[in-house]
Amino acid sequence: SQTIHQWPATLVQPVGSPLSLECTVEGTSNPNLYWYRQAAGRGLQLLFYSVGIGQISSEVPQNLSASRPQDRQFILSSKKLLLSDSGFYLCAWNKGLLQETQYFGPGTRLLVL
Amino acid sequence: AQKVTQAQTEISVVEKEDVTLDCVYETRDTTYYLFWYKQPPSGELVFLIRRNSFDEQNEISGRYSWNFQKSTSSFNFTITASQVVDSAVYFCALSETSGTYKYIFGTGTRLKVLA
Repeated sequence: SQTIHQWPATLVQPVGSPLSLECTVEGTSNPNLYWYRQAAGRGLQLLFYSVGIGQISSEVPQNLSASRPQDRQFILSSKKLLLSDSGFYLCAWNKGLLQETQYFGPGTRLLVL
Repeated sequence: AQKVTQAQTEISVVEKEDVTLDCVYETRDTTYYLFWYKQPPSGELVFLIRRNSFDEQNEISGRYSWNFQKSTSSFNFTITASQVVDSAVYFCALSETSGTYKYIFGTGTRLKVLA
């Protein structure tokens, strides 16, 4: 069966510091991968998606970036965090067509101080 | 433009009551998919159901049931005999098959089931 991992689970970072969040999927190959952000008490905002290694599509212009160095690894990065980057970051995957069901990871809670 | 509206921000019920969570969507596509997810306090989104636009049959899974009505563009979710463990935020989402691929999420409904 497929599983999706995210780490770290929780992160507290000062403004202006770099960020690296990692997501990995097990039990499948060539998944579509997604990064979402959920602000406190809000809905989900799609940040990036990837249909293959090195293929990244950005949904929202901001100071975040994403990379996919391996088939089942998706990384979310920032060179300098802003207060507004605080939130809950969720990674998701699906297989095949982009409309297929997405399955989500446990998430990373990021607090920027 | 595509849109998902969950007008109920928060609902509180007493255990064993039935509760319906509303979801209204907008899309120009004739083929699309609708989803419901549950987000418990731990934060992970748990997939509940996927329905395509050509399948209007209602679905029942244990205490959960879904009513899909294309005529009113609604995909409502009912929990029968609610339990404290049902307390969570529930999201409805839409995925179209033309143009954009991405899920459009509603803003979620927070359900509190009181013992």
